[in-house]
Amino acid sequence: QVHLVGSGGGVVQPGRSLRLSCAASGFTFSSYTIHWVRQAPGKGLEWVAVIWSDATEEYYADSVKGRFTIARDNSKNTVYLQMNSLGAADTAVYYCLREENNRGYFQYWGQGTLVTVSS
Amino acid sequence: ETVLTQSPAALSVSPGERVTLSCRASQNINRRLAWYQQKPGQAPRLLIYDASNRATGIPARFSGSGSGTEFTLTISSLQSEDFAVYYCQQYNNWPPWTFGQGTNVEIK
Repeated sequence: QVHLVGSGGGVVQPGRSLRLSCAASGFTFSSYTIHWVRQAPGKGLEWVAVIWSDATEEYYADSVKGRFTIARDNSKNTVYLQMNSLGAADTAVYYCLREENNRGYFQYWGQGTLVTVSS
Repeated sequence: ETVLTQSPAALSVSPGERVTLSCRASQNINRRLAWYQQKPGQAPRLLIYDASNRATGIPARFSGSGSGTEFTLTISSLQSEDFAVYYCQQYNNWPPWTFGQGTNVEIK
């Protein structure tokens, strides 16, 4: 059974950093592209970042480019999202997702981890 | 960036009614469109991929259609568990992968 478990969220002051983790199980992790998507309170879904299965490519939303870094450790079945220079606009639930067979849509979502940027 | 515009933003429906949700893309996305359902406090659930293919375990009352820039999600007979927010998502023109703003289906 496929599981994606996000962690690392919490309350952080503006300008500080936070690192999210997404631990995967139940599938061959190294074969799948992983994305992060976020959802601000009461708002819609916003794609954040993606990393290829072999980590050879990564892409970012303009809203986080230069501040966020996605990485993965295939030996630990884990993807990370390093978030720097956080601002109030980054307050959201962050979901990690598995892209299905390099097709671009998402069958499996993590449970989400809440990041609150507040002084 | 491909912008997805969903309509209506919200609608009130009675159980048993037929529901049609729209998603319009700002440029051609072929058939690379997915639909998701999200209930409060839960992660979204994949309903439809490639515009018209039902995901595993999705009831037959959900159907998708369209291609190019115009897409539709239809729920043939709304059940109580279908009241939720519905999002479309395109994966033809990336990055970024983009979502519509959502349609909230409420109980009438």
